[in-house]
Amino acid sequence: EVQLVESGGGLIQPGGSLRLSCAASGFTVSSNYMSWVRQAPGKGLEWVSVIYGGGSTDYADSVKGRFTISRDYSKNTLYLQMNSLRAEDTAVYYCARVRYSSSQYYFDYWGQGTLVTVSS
Amino acid sequence: SYELTQPPSVSVSPGQTARITCSGDALPKKYAYWYQQKSGQAPVLVIYEDSKRPSGIPERFSGSSSGTMATLTISGAQVEDEADYYCYSTDSSGNPWVFGGGTKLTVL
Repeated sequence: EVQLVESGGGLIQPGGSLRLSCAASGFTVSSNYMSWVRQAPGKGLEWVSVIYGGGSTDYADSVKGRFTISRDYSKNTLYLQMNSLRAEDTAVYYCARVRYSSSQYYFDYWGQGTLVTVSS
Repeated sequence: SYELTQPPSVSVSPGQTARITCSGDALPKKYAYWYQQKSGQAPVLVIYEDSKRPSGIPERFSGSSSGTMATLTISGAQVEDEADYYCYSTDSSGNPWVFGGGTKLTVL
């Protein structure tokens, strides 16, 4: 059974840093594409970042240069390092497994999310 | 940037058919995907590639697409189907990761 469990969220001051983790079971993170998607309070879903099977990465313009996605093969875990945090980064952050089929990417499994609150 | 447009809300009585639409210029050539998000929970994939249903998703959920509009249909909607529904797709240039704004389905 595929499971994704996020951790690492919390209250952080503007300008601070935080690292989110997403522990996976039922499949191998490093053999799959993985992504982070966030949801600000009362708002819709916003894609944040992706790491492809070969290790290449991509980011939304809103986080480019501040966030870094990575993975650990031995721990079967996905990470999101978030630096220079802003109030507008406040959101629930979900990790999700990405599938590629018929020339399109989509998310097939999601974790339960971890809340990041950026406030002084 | 590419946009997928959904109605903010849809309301039906239990047992009625709920239809949620998603419009986007690239939908004639790109698949639509649908996610259900119940209050306080993570999104769940309910339809992929316009009309395919993942295992475990009830048969009352179906999807279709015609022209620039994709539609999620819930036949005989139940109270437990009350949730936010998001469409998702790719733009005409192949850039993925585009979500619609979401539709709140009320069943009462």
